[in-house]
Amino acid sequence: GAVVSQHPSWVICKSGTSVKIECRSLDFQATTMFWYRQFPKQSLMLMATSNEGSKATYEQGVEKDKFLINHASLTLSTLTVTSAHPEDSSFYICSAPGASGSKNEQFFGPGTRLTVL
Amino acid sequence: GNSVTQMEGPVTLSEEAFLTINCTYTATGYPSLFWYVQYPGEGLQLLLKATKADDKGSNKGFEATYRKETTSFHLEKGSVQVSDSAVYFCALSGNSGYSTLTFGKGTMLLVSP
Repeated sequence: GAVVSQHPSWVICKSGTSVKIECRSLDFQATTMFWYRQFPKQSLMLMATSNEGSKATYEQGVEKDKFLINHASLTLSTLTVTSAHPEDSSFYICSAPGASGSKNEQFFGPGTRLTVL
Repeated sequence: GNSVTQMEGPVTLSEEAFLTINCTYTATGYPSLFWYVQYPGEGLQLLLKATKADDKGSNKGFEATYRKETTSFHLEKGSVQVSDSAVYFCALSGNSGYSTLTFGKGTMLLVSP
């Protein structure tokens, strides 16, 4: 089946540093990937849509200069949290739509827990 | 716009009890409906889905029926297990292209032995 991986699974960093999170589709190609953020005991909030070969589309209220997204290839999207602050601490999850025939189904990565000290 | 409303938790049950988690939605057109499950510390896993009215999705003893007349997709299981303890998310997506998912707030299920 369609598998999506994320790396790292968790990261702790100091305030002011930047952190890169990778999202990979392991056995299928994904021209589109989605990045979500989940606060404790809350639902997933879509942050942005990552598009291979073009700029990401950000949801309202998400700072594109703070959350840099690069869809480097058909199997890799990266989210870089720049100049991280404690309020950026969260669980970040990516997903990718399935192959043709199931294009309204998404496959989720296991998530990356970011803690900013 | 699209929205999903699901019952607030936590839902606390004893093992082998019957489970219902209510989910209703608002959407234009004919969305696909999903239930995702999130175990502690993990990402989301698709539990079941239904893509058109009256479809019943089922998996691992869970089932949900797409009811267009009541715009609902309630999750049910006849006999829960301790291992079912998790957070359950109801979600919908449009049927045009790679539509994004709209999630409910999630319902935590706690099953005790």
